[in-house]
Amino acid sequence: SQQGEEDPQALSIQEGENATMNCSYKTSINNLQWYRQNSGRGLVHLILIRSNEREKHSGRLRVTLDTSKKSSSLLITASRAADTASYFCATAIRETSGSRLTFGEGTQLTVNP
Amino acid sequence: DAGVIQSPRHEVTEMGQEVTLRCKPISGHDYLFWYRQTMMRGLELLIYFNNNVPIDDSGMPEDRFSAKMPNASFSTLKIQPSEPRDSAVYFCASSLGRSYNEKLFFGSGTQLSVL
Repeated sequence: SQQGEEDPQALSIQEGENATMNCSYKTSINNLQWYRQNSGRGLVHLILIRSNEREKHSGRLRVTLDTSKKSSSLLITASRAADTASYFCATAIRETSGSRLTFGEGTQLTVNP
Repeated sequence: DAGVIQSPRHEVTEMGQEVTLRCKPISGHDYLFWYRQTMMRGLELLIYFNNNVPIDDSGMPEDRFSAKMPNASFSTLKIQPSEPRDSAVYFCASSLGRSYNEKLFFGSGTQLSVL
């Protein structure tokens, strides 16, 4: 089963609005990462937040992490049509058989011009 | 650097045929990962290598799947014989660093269709 679960599965907003996507996970993690995937392309890393961090910013992106609730959120401010893509959270899990990132099922974001 | 390079971009084959997917990681990266993406199962890790050595292949679905990394700049994922349920997008990714804490760089993927 997937470690991370994104919510909502799909989100449609107007250009200029903010977009918030959530990710919940089940086990303790070392870090959580967010990736973006444009249609027909590979995933692109956006931001990494470590388990001892609570908030991180990168340009128009803001990520929060609440380890007590095992959840994270990705906020995209002042969205643009070019932000249309699928967004995935990925968890680096603490005690597994090896080093791996486990991806959630993604949120499909559509930004309408 | 050109990034992670995968070939072919698209592959259409008939059931029972052998399929070989290729990947060139970013120079200097010591971790290489093979993922499979489908609508039903999302993104699944198949196998990963560290310094050309397979570390965890527990995600490889069956013995029909095999992966090799003969040197630091090349890896293959082979399916023999292929089946329609193998149809998916296969991604190769690489990372720099000693642990999974480092971010992954993905290739553009190989869209595999098995008829």
